Amino acid sequence: GENVEQHPSTLSVQEGDSAVIKCTYSDSASNYFPWYKQELGKRPQLIIDIRSNVGEKKDQRIAVTLNKTAKHFSLHITETQPEDSAVYFCAAKGENTGFQKLVFGTGTRLLVSP
Amino acid sequence: DARVTQTPRHKVTEMGQEVTMRCQPILGHNTVFWYRQTMMQGLELLAYFRNRAPLDDSGMPKDRFSAEMPDATLATLKIQPSEPRDSAVYFCASGRTGGYFSPLHFGNGTRLTVT
Repeated sequence: GENVEQHPSTLSVQEGDSAVIKCTYSDSASNYFPWYKQELGKRPQLIIDIRSNVGEKKDQRIAVTLNKTAKHFSLHITETQPEDSAVYFCAAKGENTGFQKLVFGTGTRLLVSP
Repeated sequence: DARVTQTPRHKVTEMGQEVTMRCQPILGHNTVFWYRQTMMQGLELLAYFRNRAPLDDSGMPKDRFSAEMPDATLATLKIQPSEPRDSAVYFCASGRTGGYFSPLHFGNGTRLTVT
């Protein structure tokens, strides 16, 4: 089945800096890669996603890139703000015996200091 | 703004007691997932339903956990008997499958504490 690895586990940056979180996946048939943000005590919420027919997608200060050959994808946050502090999860849609499920990475705790 | 609804939000119970968590998926969604989140394990998939049929519960301890979907508007996760190691936040998420994979929407979770 699919396996997703995420790095780093924690990331501290100064306000205004950029942050990059990287994930690798194992199933070459995976074709959907969402990113979720989870603030303390709250539910994970989708912030951006990318499908395998696209190499990059942007939404204001966040962007995701996908390298299908290398089987890795990354989240880029520019001009970080304290409210970006949260745990970020990447995920990949795996294929297993004909049905589909999301497999999550272990999460990255991002701390943005003012 | 449609949301996945989970009840209860918090549950404190004693070891050995039965716990039932409920989830109402977003109307029109045909897939329901149960995830468990602990500090150490991240988001751990417990069970997955599509069109109310259980498709994968390989992540669930079968001896004490059970998941059902009695109708399209209700999914349940039951633990009997509960143990302290079951203490975690349990999230339900729903989505749609078909020609593409739609985003998963998470509920607010049930924080379970077993003493």
